[in-house]
Amino acid sequence: EAGVAQSPRYKIIEKRQSVAFWCNPISGHATLYWYQQILGQGPKLLIQFQNNGVVDDSQLPKDRFSAERLKGVDSTLKIQPAKLEDSAVYLCASSQRPGTSGRDLYNEQFFGPGTRLTVL
Amino acid sequence: QQQVKQSPQSLIVQKGGISIINCAYENTAFDYFPWYQQFPGKGPALLIAIRPDVSEKKEGRFTISFNKSAKQFSLHIMDSQPGDSATYFCAVTGTASKLTFGTGTRLQVTL
Repeated sequence: EAGVAQSPRYKIIEKRQSVAFWCNPISGHATLYWYQQILGQGPKLLIQFQNNGVVDDSQLPKDRFSAERLKGVDSTLKIQPAKLEDSAVYLCASSQRPGTSGRDLYNEQFFGPGTRLTVL
Repeated sequence: QQQVKQSPQSLIVQKGGISIINCAYENTAFDYFPWYQQFPGKGPALLIAIRPDVSEKKEGRFTISFNKSAKQFSLHIMDSQPGDSATYFCAVTGTASKLTFGTGTRLQVTL
């Protein structure tokens, strides 16, 4: 089973520039998550999609961050304009619909390798 | 508000020793407590998890101990190996599978 794919793996930009990240979840996974992981911290959820609808975007800085999941499969996360404090690893994760089988019957989240963003 | 507190921040253990990482949470509504393992350059991967209706769960060398009354849970790695060197995150979750992670523990297992 192929895992969660993300690209690019690394990105370096100047502040005030824009950047976009792409995620392809595990086939058949209806739920997709974007996390921000700042160096030395745990991942923080930015946005959760169920199919192509937003379930939770309460921690997404909507003045500069946007995300979409057209057709309920791939997703893109955009930052415009970037700030120095946006330097982080951006992780994408996916899971089956809640309630379906998985380890411990939990809706296990499978993470991609992440995109490391450096804002100069 | 920090919903889950994790300690220690870093840990050095000799090969064959026991590694212990602790987490404490605030919200009694949480109903699933996973531990994730993350290697450099990789995303986190689920290691082991527990529900609050049991006090302990063991999978191979990894054990979770859960204390519901104290709102604490811990990860024990028995017979620690150099390949266990990674960053470990505890997490909590409730409805909608929303994960809230701890701050992480960097484990180094020395020869």
